[in-house]
Amino acid sequence: AQKVTQAQTEISVVEKEDVTLDCVYETRDTTYYLFWYKQPPSGELVFLIRRNSFDEQNEISGRYSWNFQKSTSSFNFTITASQVVDSAVYFCALTDFHTNAGKSTFGDGTTLTVKP
Amino acid sequence: SAVISQKPSRDICQRGTSLTIQCQVDSQVTMMFWYRQQPGQSLTLIATANQGSEATYESGFVIDKFPISRPNLTFSTLTVSNMSPEDSSIYLCSVLHDTGELFFGEGSRLTVL
Repeated sequence: AQKVTQAQTEISVVEKEDVTLDCVYETRDTTYYLFWYKQPPSGELVFLIRRNSFDEQNEISGRYSWNFQKSTSSFNFTITASQVVDSAVYFCALTDFHTNAGKSTFGDGTTLTVKP
Repeated sequence: SAVISQKPSRDICQRGTSLTIQCQVDSQVTMMFWYRQQPGQSLTLIATANQGSEATYESGFVIDKFPISRPNLTFSTLTVSNMSPEDSSIYLCSVLHDTGELFFGEGSRLTVL
């Protein structure tokens, strides 16, 4: 079965702290995509990153970085030097194509609060 | 990429009525989906909208309650029928691009009184 677990329900940090959001996934497929989305208080879903199962390279984009490890089925997201504007709900998601025909499964989300 | 327009962006409805949400994509896409996000919850897939045939519903969702149309490769509608306050949610249309990227509309925020 396809499953995404975000064990951290809520995280609170003080501005400029680094914070890591965990994501663990389960799938039987060997071909799949992993995503992170941000949902600010305004409600829209903002795409952050997509990673396919054949690319285990870590990625850095500004203050954001992602650590993909197939051996532990994890796709963790780190924000460096957090800012108040980073406060949002962050969702990790998995899409596979053979077993689940392109459907996506979302984790329950992690609510990040960055305090000034 | 794909640009998705959803209408309405928000609505307040009376119990027992129905509302149809429209999703328009700026390019032809094979796969379109409808998700629901209840308050404080994650996204749950309602159904896959199939072009020219009946939608494929996930467990817990039925056609009578959430009829879906997809007349072509760029347009779909979701109707929430006989609404109750429990249907108050954000309903999101999404498309799966050939690159594997999932694009979302901005959502339709529905409040049922």
